Amino acid sequence: NAGVTQTPKFRILKIGQSMTLQCTQDMNHNYMYWYRQDPGMGLKLIYYSVGAGITDKGEVPNGYNVSRSTTEDFPLRLELAAPSQTSVYFCASSPPWDRGWDGYTFGSGTRLTVV
Amino acid sequence: QKEVEQNSGPLSVPEGAIASLNCTYSDRGSQSFFWYRQYSGKSPELIMSIYSNGDKEDGRFTAQLNKASQYVSLLIRDSQPSDSATYLCAVKAGGGNKLTFGTGTQLKVEL
Repeated sequence: NAGVTQTPKFRILKIGQSMTLQCTQDMNHNYMYWYRQDPGMGLKLIYYSVGAGITDKGEVPNGYNVSRSTTEDFPLRLELAAPSQTSVYFCASSPPWDRGWDGYTFGSGTRLTVV
Repeated sequence: QKEVEQNSGPLSVPEGAIASLNCTYSDRGSQSFFWYRQYSGKSPELIMSIYSNGDKEDGRFTAQLNKASQYVSLLIRDSQPSDSATYLCAVKAGGGNKLTFGTGTQLKVEL
């Protein structure tokens, strides 16, 4: 059971480039989330999804886009990368609160540097 | 105003001592509380959850919740060097599944 898989693990982007961070889960979780973690700043929610076709903004959505065409996949798109997007990105998933929810399952993270 | 606050540390304790990690939150409607451990360069992993006032014990870990004071803590007994990590407090407010995280407390267990 792979859990939550993120790719790539590391990436260096030039300012203005675009890329997609991939996230796949095999636990049939309805809910999926994207967080970014900057040093000393904790985890900030970028976007989340409650199911296929449904997404919503989190605390820091500017500069990012998401889509959720299937239950398994929740890619995060960066358009026109900026140095402020240098961070570690974590994808997570969970079942609904009323179905044995006990926190998130996190992916291993993507370390992104924009130069 | 931060919604979930933690002392960033580092908190240094000798091996075998009790480490006490604290967290306060601002939303009185918060229902569920979690402690995650994060080793450097790794993803967070859940170590404790607590939903009701009082204490919850799991091995060397004890989570304590006081909703009236909006305070949650994590005690680690018999601290080991392998406990050296950053501990993230996370809170789920009423409704929805989103967690709000604190900035984390770095714990160092010294030999």
